[in-house]
Order: sequence, then structure tokens, then C-alpha cells
Amino acid sequence: DIQMTQSPSSLSASVGDRVTITCRASQTITNSLNWYQQKPGEAPKLVIYAASVVQTGVPSRFSGSGSGTDFTLTINNLQPEDFATYSCQQSSSTPFTFGPGTKVDIK
Amino acid sequence: QGHLVQSGAEVKKPGSSLKVSCKASGGTFGGHAVAWVRQAPGQGLEWMGGISPIFGTTIYAHKFQDRVTITADELTNAVYMELSSLRIGDTGVYYCAREATYLSGWFDPWGQGTLVTVTS
Repeated sequence: DIQMTQSPSSLSASVGDRVTITCRASQTITNSLNWYQQKPGEAPKLVIYAASVVQTGVPSRFSGSGSGTDFTLTINNLQPEDFATYSCQQSSSTPFTFGPGTKVDIK
Repeated sequence: QGHLVQSGAEVKKPGSSLKVSCKASGGTFGGHAVAWVRQAPGQGLEWMGGISPIFGTTIYAHKFQDRVTITADELTNAVYMELSSLRIGDTGVYYCAREATYLSGWFDPWGQGTLVTVTS
């Protein structure tokens, strides 16, 4: 199985900040990497798919990059509604696997 | 995009079975595949498997291969996930999610989740 790791596990930021979260796969997955946002008590929401494609309806301050084994989710101009946990997920091969998540909270 | 609506919370005993339903608010899944993902308390997300309702094709994570069955019912326009031989460690929230295409691997939207508690 492909193992996914994320860093940091948590971070504190302020409204207006730029936030960067890193995800690494245990083997190459080309661009088969997706990002989800999850708020407490809610279901995950797809933010980015295929490493860099912003899902319809997601604000343009979200962006994704990377290929191979290393990927990044960037949130520019962090807004109050962006405080949540972000998880990466590889869709290169089954079983599809998720990273442990990065919690973004208010500084 | 339509919403996915799941059945309600369940309390189960170890060794019993669980069946969770997932329906598309618009009546059908529109040819999309459906995946099941679970989340143990305070833990990350775990893909269990998926189904293409149109073709009836299923795939399961090998971890659950012997205990999970995912089915689709054309009459009720629902997808079901059945998990047998429940253990305490199966406690968590179970989500269905629409998959862009079968095995495309990205999921949106998700159902609201079904909380399953396995307790003796």
C-alpha cells in the first residue's frame, strides 16, 4: 500500500496569512493526489484533485502543486472559514490511502 | 451537484453485522461510482471500497475484503455497505462519497456520515 505523510501535523495561523501544507507519498504517484478539507463534525470536502485542479466552487485562494512523491497545498489570504483539517489522498492505485491530516487553527 | 443522504446512527454488538445506506438526493447517482470511507474517532480517513452502480462492479480494500459487501439497488436508487463480524475497532463514522468515475479516486460530494458504535 502507498503510505501518505503530511507536515506539519498542525499549525497556527492568522487571517490573511499564507499557509503551506506538504504531503509525501511513499512511492511515485505522478499527479494522482487530492486534497480534502474537513471541519469538526462535518464530512470532508474536496478542494483539489489531480494535484492542481481546484474543485468547482472552491475559492481561488486554494492552490495545489507537485508531482511524483511531493505535493503542496497552499492557501493564500487565509479566511476564517478555512480553519479546518486538511488531508491528502492518493488515487494512483488501490487501496486509495489518505494522509493523517494537518489541522489549521487560529493563532 | 446533488447531495448524498445516509441512514442513521447505529449501535451494534461485537460479532454482529452492519448495513448502511446511501441515496442520492436527485434520485440517481447519474452514472457515477460510489465509494465508502470510514473515520475512527480522532483518526484519519480510510477507504473501504467502491461500486459502479451502473455496471455493478465492486472493489474492496484488502483490509476489509473478507467482511465488507457493497451493493447497489436499482429499485431504491441506493448503495449499501454491509460490514460483518463487527469489532470494537470498527467504531467510527462511515461515509459514502460520489466518485467522479469508477476508480478515478477523488470523491465529491460526501454523505453526512453514519456514526457506528460497536460496544458490548
